[in-house]
Amino acid sequence: DIVMTQTPLSSPVTLGQPASISCRSSQSLVHSDGNTYLSWLQQRPGQPPRLLIYKISNRFSGVPDRFSGSGAGTDFTLKISRVEAEDAGVYYCMQGIQYPITFGQGTRLEIK
Amino acid sequence: EVQLVESGGGLVQPGGSLRLSCAASGFTFSDHFMDWVRQAPGKGLDWVGRIRKKANSYTTEYAASVKGRFTISRDDSKNSLFLQMNSLKTEDTAVYHCARWGDGNIYLYWGQGTLVTVSS
Repeated sequence: DIVMTQTPLSSPVTLGQPASISCRSSQSLVHSDGNTYLSWLQQRPGQPPRLLIYKISNRFSGVPDRFSGSGAGTDFTLKISRVEAEDAGVYYCMQGIQYPITFGQGTRLEIK
Repeated sequence: EVQLVESGGGLVQPGGSLRLSCAASGFTFSDHFMDWVRQAPGKGLDWVGRIRKKANSYTTEYAASVKGRFTISRDDSKNSLFLQMNSLKTEDTAVYHCARWGDGNIYLYWGQGTLVTVSS
């Protein structure tokens, strides 16, 4: 199985300040079709997960441009340029290249 | 508007069975792979399994932890997804979400989930 490791697991951030979450996979997420199937999801309290970013850096429809993704191979980063109150929640990276589909442990973003 | 609505959760004793349903609307259900993903209380996301569409012979994939105990099926005529859970264990306690798999190998839509509690 591909193990997804996120750091940090908890991140207190002041409103208006940037935030960054790292995700490392135990194997390359580059598919034979040339795409890298790494996505980021956000889960607000009491809500199901919501897709933010797919294929490393593509923002899903309706996702604010303060969210950005980067990385390659096995190392990936989600950045929020200026954190807003509504960004509080848990963030997960996810790989979609191999069964079983696996997720990072989650990073809890706490807004100060 | 795409909607996925799970039902069928509840309290069951270890060793028991439960059947979950997911009612889909707002999209052509038969065109899509569908997954179940669970989340134990206060924990992260855990993939349960997948059923492909008719063009892929409705084939399935399962996580090792549920293989042989859980069965995923679908009824395209009723826009419904199912999860038959047998030989339930306490560690199966979780909120079970159905989710639509999409182009780009992503989960485009999720249901709110239904809580399954396995306890004596």
